[in-house]
Amino acid sequence: AQSVSQHNHHVILSEAASLELGCNYSYGGTVNLFWYVQYPGQHLQLLLKYFSGDPLVKGIKGFEAEFIKSKFSFNLRKPSVQWSDTAEYFCAPSSGGSYIPTFGRGTSLIVHP
Amino acid sequence: DAGVTQSPTHLIKTRGQQVTLRCSPKSGHDTVSWYQQALGQGPQFIFQYYEEEERQRGNFPDRFSGHQFPNYSSELNVNALLLGDSALYLCASSFQSMEAFFGQGTRLTVV
Repeated sequence: AQSVSQHNHHVILSEAASLELGCNYSYGGTVNLFWYVQYPGQHLQLLLKYFSGDPLVKGIKGFEAEFIKSKFSFNLRKPSVQWSDTAEYFCAPSSGGSYIPTFGRGTSLIVHP
Repeated sequence: DAGVTQSPTHLIKTRGQQVTLRCSPKSGHDTVSWYQQALGQGPQFIFQYYEEEERQRGNFPDRFSGHQFPNYSSELNVNALLLGDSALYLCASSFQSMEAFFGQGTRLTVV
């Protein structure tokens, strides 16, 4: 069965700290990978996506993620977080044919100023 | 350009009642998906509509049904509401199965 696991449910950082959120999935075949973000009081927004090609993808607001096929991972990173990055982050893979993302439980990130 | 719009934003229903939620997709989008997001959880896929037909369905009972209209808008219907149906219901639209854009959701409370 297809599944996605986000390792960190709650993360608290100070501004300027580096961020890495783990995501592992279990999918057979081709996979498309997404990270979505939900800022307080706002709707889910696409942060970045991977379909094929360069496994290091860059998204909005300085975020990036690396697809490591051998580890079934798609970890999200940011070198220096800001207070405005406080939000809920969701890893969401989908099988290659459907483009219907399966969401992880999410990681709540709080950044202290 | 309007994004995905959902109505109503909040709704309170009594156990056993029926509810209809509505979604207008982003302009140019032809595919609508519905998700249920319980408190503290990620969104769970309910079903997807394309060309007015249910194309794929998640692990939800038949009490959950939907419809897509010729203008691509969609409805989610839930019959015989249970307390456990209380959640945020999200609509997402996309064009030909590309990335999904989400609405703000409808907060359903069943009492």
